Amino acid sequence: EAGVAQSPRYKIIEKRQSVAFWCNPISGHATLYWYQQILGQGPKLLIQFQNNGVVDDSQLPKDRFSAERLKGVDSTLKIQPAKLEDSAVYLCASSLDWSGQRGYEQFFGPGTRLTVL
Amino acid sequence: AQTVTQSQPEMSVQEAETVTLSCTYDTSENNYYLFWYKQPPSRQMILVIRQEAYKQQNATENRFSVNFQKAAKSFSLKISDSQLGDTAMYFCAFIFAGGTSYGKLTFGQGTILTVHP
Repeated sequence: EAGVAQSPRYKIIEKRQSVAFWCNPISGHATLYWYQQILGQGPKLLIQFQNNGVVDDSQLPKDRFSAERLKGVDSTLKIQPAKLEDSAVYLCASSLDWSGQRGYEQFFGPGTRLTVL
Repeated sequence: AQTVTQSQPEMSVQEAETVTLSCTYDTSENNYYLFWYKQPPSRQMILVIRQEAYKQQNATENRFSVNFQKAAKSFSLKISDSQLGDTAMYFCAFIFAGGTSYGKLTFGQGTILTVHP
């Protein structure tokens, strides 16, 4: 079974530039998550999708961050414009569903390390 | 809101010995899941072990076991016969199993574990 795929793996940009990250979840997984992991901290949920609908985006800085999941499969997370404090690893995860015993196991991708200069 | 606290920023252990990582959490809910995730230097987050709050029996997975103390809100991870491949950042995480917070993992700050030969 193929895992969660993310690209790019690394990205370096100047502040005020824009950047986009891509995620392809495990086939058949209805729920997709984007997390932000700042160096030395645990991941923080940014947004959660159930199929192509948003379940939770309460911690997404909506003035600069946006995310979409078209057709309920792949997802894109965008930052525009980037700030220095956005430097972090952006992790994508997926799960079969968002409830039930199987739904609580999330599978993570390798992450995208963003450096904002 | 749920909080997860890992009070040990770093731990080290000799190969083949046993080490215990600590985690405490705070919640007013009764129905939830707890997890330990491992994040090696390559950054792929991997689920190590899961505990359902309604189960009194402590979960075990090969060399990994937990000590779940629900009343004390404590969830420690014991690694027996430590191996060099166990070197990683370990995160304790919480999911509330109900209401509108389905799927939202709350992570602790992490514990860096180094296994020495």
